[in-house]
Amino acid sequence: GDSVTQMEGPVTLSEEAFLTINCTYTATGYPSLFWYVQYPGEGLQLLLKATKADDKGSNKGFEATYRKETTSFHLEKGSVQVSDSAVYFCALSGTSNTGKLIFGQGTTLQVKP
Amino acid sequence: NAGVTQTPKFQVLKTGQSMTLQCAQDMNHEYMSWYRQDPGMGLRLIHYSVGAGITDQGEVPNGYNVSRSTTEDFPLRLLSAAPSQTSVYFCASIRFDTGELFFGEGSRLTVL
Repeated sequence: GDSVTQMEGPVTLSEEAFLTINCTYTATGYPSLFWYVQYPGEGLQLLLKATKADDKGSNKGFEATYRKETTSFHLEKGSVQVSDSAVYFCALSGTSNTGKLIFGQGTTLQVKP
Repeated sequence: NAGVTQTPKFQVLKTGQSMTLQCAQDMNHEYMSWYRQDPGMGLRLIHYSVGAGITDQGEVPNGYNVSRSTTEDFPLRLLSAAPSQTSVYFCASIRFDTGELFFGEGSRLTVL
């Protein structure tokens, strides 16, 4: 079945460092891919998404490119801030948009001043 | 601007007790879903609904029951709580045209 694998955390970076969180997926067909972020004590919120191969999603300085050839959707940010400390989830959905997302296990990011 | 509202935020139950987690959305979304979040396991789908009167099972449905009598509400019932159901539960509604999920703030349940 479909699945999402994220890099193990936690990831600890200093402020202004470059961030990469790896995400790879297994899916039939052409899924949409998402990154969600969960700040402490809150629910998840959409960070960015891509719906087809070679699409680049971007938001708040974060970027991720839908790579079908490597089945990957890695999250990157050029310069992280303390306020980016959160748990990041990669997810995929099928083509029907029924809300049946499959999530990775989440990667905790801690940014130190 | 409420979005998705879940209640209660915290609950402690004894093994064998039953309870209902409430979820309401005001965005007129047809699709809604319930997830549980456990450490190291991400979010797993419990049940989902594609409209009033229509529900289906997700990945981990055992021990949970749902119904959808209105577009706005999607309660999750624990029939006989077990310690394995200790978790954080998230309700979400789905914007159909983009596939984006809007999550509530979560309900933390502890079963003793």
